[in-house]
Amino acid sequence: AQSVSQHNHHVILSEAASLELGCNYSYGGTVNLFWYVQYPGQHLQLLLKYFSGDPLVKGIKGFEAEFIKSKFSFNLRKPSVQWSDTAEYFCAVNAKAAGNKLTFGGGTRVLVKP
Amino acid sequence: DAGVTQSPTHLIKTRGQQVTLRCSPKSGHDTVSWYQQALGQGPQFIFQYYEEEERQRGNFPDRFSGHQFPNYSSELNVNALLLGDSALYLCASSLSGTGGHEKLFFGSGTQLSVL
Repeated sequence: AQSVSQHNHHVILSEAASLELGCNYSYGGTVNLFWYVQYPGQHLQLLLKYFSGDPLVKGIKGFEAEFIKSKFSFNLRKPSVQWSDTAEYFCAVNAKAAGNKLTFGGGTRVLVKP
Repeated sequence: DAGVTQSPTHLIKTRGQQVTLRCSPKSGHDTVSWYQQALGQGPQFIFQYYEEEERQRGNFPDRFSGHQFPNYSSELNVNALLLGDSALYLCASSLSGTGGHEKLFFGSGTQLSVL
């Protein structure tokens, strides 16, 4: 079945450590890619998105993601995390092959220790 | 500028009952999408409304239905509730354009518990 996979369900790291969250999708053809974040007690909000052009996209709060078409991946990165980055992160894909319905991955809970 | 508002925030129902959840989109938005988020999972797309019509639908049974009003607000109705319908129901609004998915603004959700 076509889907969006996030490899890690939980990640625990210390402040100033680097973060990389994996996301793979199985849709062929044209895709739009998103990372959403949900901070504790808050609603889901857009972190960054890729539609076309430079495969390295930069989002809010120092996050970036790289689209690698050959690997069907859209991994999220941050060079140095802060305690305030503690949140749940969701990868999402809008694929023409899936009727342009936005499909979310299962999410990764990130805990940054101060 | 009001964001997406959902009501109620919490709801408890029993099996077989019917429920209606409500959503007011962000000011200026004309498209409303509904998602179901079960515990420990990502949101799953239920359907999307634009111009008072269902434009897209996910893999949910006909027990799930919706409506969009002329002021762009929306309702999600679930009939014959099952225990498995217990979840957080999220509403997201957007501007029509690239299929309405360019940037979604989410509400805080309605937590539905079916006993």
